[in-house]
Amino acid sequence: RKEVEQDPGPFNVPEGATVAFNCTYSNSASQSFFWYRQDCRKEPKLLMSVYSSGNEDGRFTAQLNRASQYISLLIRDSKLSDSATYLCVVNTGNQFYFGTGTSLTVIP
Amino acid sequence: NAGVTQTPKFQVLKTGQSMTLQCAQDMNHEYMSWYRQDPGMGLRLIHYSVGAGITDQGEVPNGYNVSRSTTEDFPLRLLSAAPSQTSVYFCASSPDTTYEQYFGPGTRLTVT
Repeated sequence: RKEVEQDPGPFNVPEGATVAFNCTYSNSASQSFFWYRQDCRKEPKLLMSVYSSGNEDGRFTAQLNRASQYISLLIRDSKLSDSATYLCVVNTGNQFYFGTGTSLTVIP
Repeated sequence: NAGVTQTPKFQVLKTGQSMTLQCAQDMNHEYMSWYRQDPGMGLRLIHYSVGAGITDQGEVPNGYNVSRSTTEDFPLRLLSAAPSQTSVYFCASSPDTTYEQYFGPGTRLTVT
């Protein structure tokens, strides 16, 4: 069983739409959770950390549900510049586990 | 700060050759790691280090060696390159595992 499961998409949405990504993790002992963004042929970059109480950064909202072992990312008012692959990342012990990524294309 | 640097950016090897991918960070981070990224597979952990002198295996360590003699440097050695090692390799660092990782720009390796 994979440590982290993520819907690969692709998600194709119009500008201004709201889109949500989900990610499940298998180890209840996982400690830290993150969403990264990766542009084509570039390195992953942190979008936001995910906290138990949920957290928001502008148009982006991240949620963590420890009981159900999933994390989510909500993007409101999508912009063309949001087109990228979004990776969920879970830390368990001394290792980070990555989802396979969800591809988002925002269409004019 | 330069952050995390990786060299080379691109490399082509023949089967059986060996080489070292370089990774350095100037943020005094204790935790460093190497990943490979293949289409449809996501990033997979090869080796990691929680501090100078300490290394451990990740999910896909076979065919790779690492060492961590200083806090700054974490080279990845391919012992005898195989076509299955064709991939994009990323190095990352973080203060510790509770914090986000910072990634280098990657090395694109092709083994023929």
